[in-house]
Amino acid sequence: DVKVTQSSRYLVKRTGEKVFLECVQDMDHENMFWYRQDPGLGLRLIYFSYDVKMKEKGDIPEGYSVSREKKERFSLILESASTNQTSMYLCASSLLGPQNLETQYFGPGTRLLVL
Amino acid sequence: DAKTTQPNSMESNEEEPVHLPCNHSTISGTDYIHWYRQLPSQGPEYVIHGLTSNVNNRMASLAIAEDRKSSTLILHRATLRDAAVYYCILRAISSGSARQLTFGSGTQLTVLP
Repeated sequence: DVKVTQSSRYLVKRTGEKVFLECVQDMDHENMFWYRQDPGLGLRLIYFSYDVKMKEKGDIPEGYSVSREKKERFSLILESASTNQTSMYLCASSLLGPQNLETQYFGPGTRLLVL
Repeated sequence: DAKTTQPNSMESNEEEPVHLPCNHSTISGTDYIHWYRQLPSQGPEYVIHGLTSNVNNRMASLAIAEDRKSSTLILHRATLRDAAVYYCILRAISSGSARQLTFGSGTQLTVLP
């Protein structure tokens, strides 16, 4: 079974702190994604990566950056956390292939509270 | 990706079959129908997908209408662990590089003991 793990299930940070969210997948997937999920807004894509050191912006990249130094690891960085970044953060991975057949595998999520 | 319409919520009794409907009247010929579900406090998980023919796997069955404008996810015997939000998503080949999944509001399934 594909396993996607996230470094923390719950995180509490203060406004202005730099926050690192780590995601690791064990199935040699090329694609990795970071989403945030908020009530009434569904899942929104922040960034994704289709290869090591490659990244592309999603719908809401402002205030975030990412790093993919190794194929299995994709990090989301909040450079200076703000209260409007309080959310559930979900990491996902998938094989590179036709988009209409692609299955994404999600981690358990990190619930971040910024005070 | 084309739009899908699902009921906001449904209830089922434990150990009975559940039929979760999805309308997708603007589906195009190359759109695959995918279903994901999200259990409480967890990330979404893949359930099943299909194009034209009905599909079965260990989790569920997918029945696709002949005109493909609607589909139904079938859980043959609902258990309490099947209580989740179920999302119906259309996936098309895109010329762009974005591969995001677009989740709608889904159907909240409640399973009653």
